[in-house]
Amino acid sequence: DQQVKQNSPSLSVQEGRISILNCDYTNSMFDYFLWYKKYPAEGPTFLISISSIKDKNEDGRFTVFLNKSAKHLSLHIVPSQPGDSAVYFCAASAAYNTDKLIFGTGTRLQVFP
Amino acid sequence: GAGVSQSPSNKVTEKGKDVELRCDPISGHTALYWYRQSLGQGLEFLIYFQGNSAPDKSGLPSDRFSAERTGGSVSTLTIQRTQQEDSAVYLCASSLIQGLADTEAFFGQGTRLTVV
Repeated sequence: DQQVKQNSPSLSVQEGRISILNCDYTNSMFDYFLWYKKYPAEGPTFLISISSIKDKNEDGRFTVFLNKSAKHLSLHIVPSQPGDSAVYFCAASAAYNTDKLIFGTGTRLQVFP
Repeated sequence: GAGVSQSPSNKVTEKGKDVELRCDPISGHTALYWYRQSLGQGLEFLIYFQGNSAPDKSGLPSDRFSAERTGGSVSTLTIQRTQQEDSAVYLCASSLIQGLADTEAFFGQGTRLTVV
């Protein structure tokens, strides 16, 4: 039972354009959402997060949008840069168990010149 | 060290053998987490430590899996009688305080386990 789903295994975007990575979840108890970025042979690194009381959080080129009614969140990267090429994982947790992050399967982003 | 360190980085073992995976968290981090990523899957939670105790072992796939943490620092994940389905990248993370949603977790580079 995949509670956090990233339906696009890969995405290819031209440098300078916007990258949009999508994530859907099924558990209505989730109230905190995070994005992690992973380069090959490295561990995931935290990128940005959002709590359910917000619908948008912005940090530089990265913005996360949350649509609670649709149980959907997205990560926007603009402008995309070649160094953004990595696997992006969406993760979620519930207030009753913040120690356990449930991760999606990841989306591989490739930014080409 | 500056980050979370895991060893070995790669391990190939024969089916039925036992393996031990080691995690050195960032100094001072009280919380430690083990995840694994099987091919084509997301990160799967295994176990979490607060200090030396493990309040949540719910993710351990079977009784062949066990983990311990000593001195509030190093953790070892042990897999007994390994099976081919145990093949995965095993990731360790640590955070300063409890609660991955409230504080940033730092991951190690992982141990790639291959059971042949």
